[in-house]
Amino acid sequence: KQEVTQIPAALSVPEGENLVLNCSFTDSAIYNLQWFRQDPGKGLTSLLLIQSSQREQTSGRLNASLDKSSGRSTLYIAASQPGDSATYLCAVMLSGNTPLVFGKGTRLSVIA
Amino acid sequence: GAGVSQSPSNKVTEKGKDVELRCDPISGHTALYWYRQSLGQGLEFLIYFQGNSAPDKSGLPSDRFSAERTGGSVSTLTIQRTQQEDSAVYLCASSPWLGNTIYFGEGSWLTVV
Repeated sequence: KQEVTQIPAALSVPEGENLVLNCSFTDSAIYNLQWFRQDPGKGLTSLLLIQSSQREQTSGRLNASLDKSSGRSTLYIAASQPGDSATYLCAVMLSGNTPLVFGKGTRLSVIA
Repeated sequence: GAGVSQSPSNKVTEKGKDVELRCDPISGHTALYWYRQSLGQGLEFLIYFQGNSAPDKSGLPSDRFSAERTGGSVSTLTIQRTQQEDSAVYLCASSPWLGNTIYFGEGSWLTVV
């Protein structure tokens, strides 16, 4: 059974810092991996999707990497801003016709 | 609308009552998912639909839970004889096809008293 773990569970950083969020998964034979953002009381917003054949994806100040062999992904946020404060969730899909399996998320606070 | 729409946004119900939660996916999206998020917990998969294929119901926690998707579009999640442990946010999501980027609705917050 695929399990997804996110460390740390919570993180507080001063504005302007670069930071890394970690995600690990137990079954390396994944189809894709997605990073989401969830603001309090809201649904999830997709940030980046990495296909199994890819090593990384970038969007603005966000960069996600994937190392399937070690079962790890990282989300790098450059020059963090208070507006980045949210919970970040990692999710993996084992095949094209299986549902996403989510980690419990990392709650990020960026302090002005 | 442009996004996934869910209703009601909030529902308070008495224990033992039935509830229906509705999801209107993004137009043209063939895949539709239901997840549940309890306080302090991760997202728990419930069920997904892909086109005209039989749905994957493997995540439904009990036979009190059921879902249908009519005409390949709108979906309804029904919880019968609600229990207090059913209190959670029920999130619906859709994607153009399985394996693609998934778009979530704002969720239906269910409280069973």
